[in-house]
Amino acid sequence: RKEVEQDPGPFNVPEGATVAFNCTYSNSASQSFFWYRQDCRKEPKLLMSVYSSGNEDGRFTAQLNRASQYISLLIRDSKLSDSATYLCVVNPYGGSQGNLIFGKGTKLSVKP
Amino acid sequence: NAGVTQTPKFQVLKTGQSMTLQCAQDMNHEYMSWYRQDPGMGLRLIHYSVGAGITDQGEVPNGYNVSRSTTEDFPLRLLSAAPSQTSVYFCASSPTGRQLFFGSGTQLSVL
Repeated sequence: RKEVEQDPGPFNVPEGATVAFNCTYSNSASQSFFWYRQDCRKEPKLLMSVYSSGNEDGRFTAQLNRASQYISLLIRDSKLSDSATYLCVVNPYGGSQGNLIFGKGTKLSVKP
Repeated sequence: NAGVTQTPKFQVLKTGQSMTLQCAQDMNHEYMSWYRQDPGMGLRLIHYSVGAGITDQGEVPNGYNVSRSTTEDFPLRLLSAAPSQTSVYFCASSPTGRQLFFGSGTQLSVL
């Protein structure tokens, strides 16, 4: 089983739609979790951290289920500018020396 | 603010050639790392460093060397380039090893 698995998509949605991405991780001892966003031919950038209690940042909501080793990202009211690849990222070791493990990414395309 | 600066942006090598990808950060981050990104493979860690003078291997270190003589610089050396090293390379830094700040990438082709 790969360490971090994501549905590669692509997800093609109309503007204004709600879309959800899922991610599973294999190391039950993983300490911290993130969603990164990567635009075409650009570097990845942190979108948001994922906390156990769930967290929201504007139209974006992240959830973590440690028992199921499952992470999700919900995007409400999709905008054209949300088109990108979303990377699920796990720090399996914790602390300041954790080497982040990246999923392969889920591609989102928002259409007018 | 410069952040993480990678050079060159593009490079074409012939098999067997050597070269160094440069990476510099001006944020005084202790943690720096190199990833490669291949289609369908995602980002994979090559080498990382938790401070000047300290480096360690990541998931795919073979064929690459690194050194960290200063906090700011973390060059990646390809000793004898192979077509399998054709990829996009990203350098990243972090104050804590948690959130990574990436450079803009180097697209490398090995013929």
